[in-house]
Amino acid sequence: DQQVKQNSPSLSVQEGRISILNCDYTNSMFDYFLWYKKYPAEGPTFLISISSIKDKNEDGRFTVFLNKSAKHLSLHIVPSQPGDSAVYFCAASANGSGNTGKLIFGQGTTLQVKP
Amino acid sequence: EAQVTQNPRYLITVTGKKLTVTCSQNMNHEYMSWYRQDPGLGLRQIYYSMNVEVTDKGDVPEGYKVSRKEKRNFPLILESPSPNQTSLYFCASTSYDLGPVPEQFFGPGTRLTVL
Repeated sequence: DQQVKQNSPSLSVQEGRISILNCDYTNSMFDYFLWYKKYPAEGPTFLISISSIKDKNEDGRFTVFLNKSAKHLSLHIVPSQPGDSAVYFCAASANGSGNTGKLIFGQGTTLQVKP
Repeated sequence: EAQVTQNPRYLITVTGKKLTVTCSQNMNHEYMSWYRQDPGLGLRQIYYSMNVEVTDKGDVPEGYKVSRKEKRNFPLILESPSPNQTSLYFCASTSYDLGPVPEQFFGPGTRLTVL
């Protein structure tokens, strides 16, 4: 049972345009959501997070939007740059998990930004 | 430099030959985890550790063992590897510097092939 889903395996956008990566979840107990970026031959690195009590968090070119009623979040990258080409993972955390440090990850979306 | 290191980075082995993947972090984190990444499934937690001598199963623990004798080290042990354990493995160390958000720092990954 996939609690966090990224239904688009890949996305291709032109440099300078907006990239929108989507993520859906099923567990209403999730209270934090995170996005990670992964380059080939490297481990995932933290990008941005959002608390379930907020609907938007912005950090430079990256903005995450959360729609709790729809159990949906999205990552917007504006403007997209070729260096943004990577696999993006959506992840969720539930504090009720007893501070195990556990994150539930989606399947990942491969973003390609074309020059 | 804060980091998580894993060794080896690449390993090809045969069914049944015991192996250990080492993981070490220099951030003094209490929480550490092992994940495996498979196509279409994202990252799934294998085992986690909340502190020295405290370990517990994640979502896919079958066929794996771990130990946590020191805070910095968290090795993953495959006593009798099988082909279905062919995967990309990541060790992660968790920080709560962002407050209740479990920000995970990942190692570079170990690509394991079991023939």
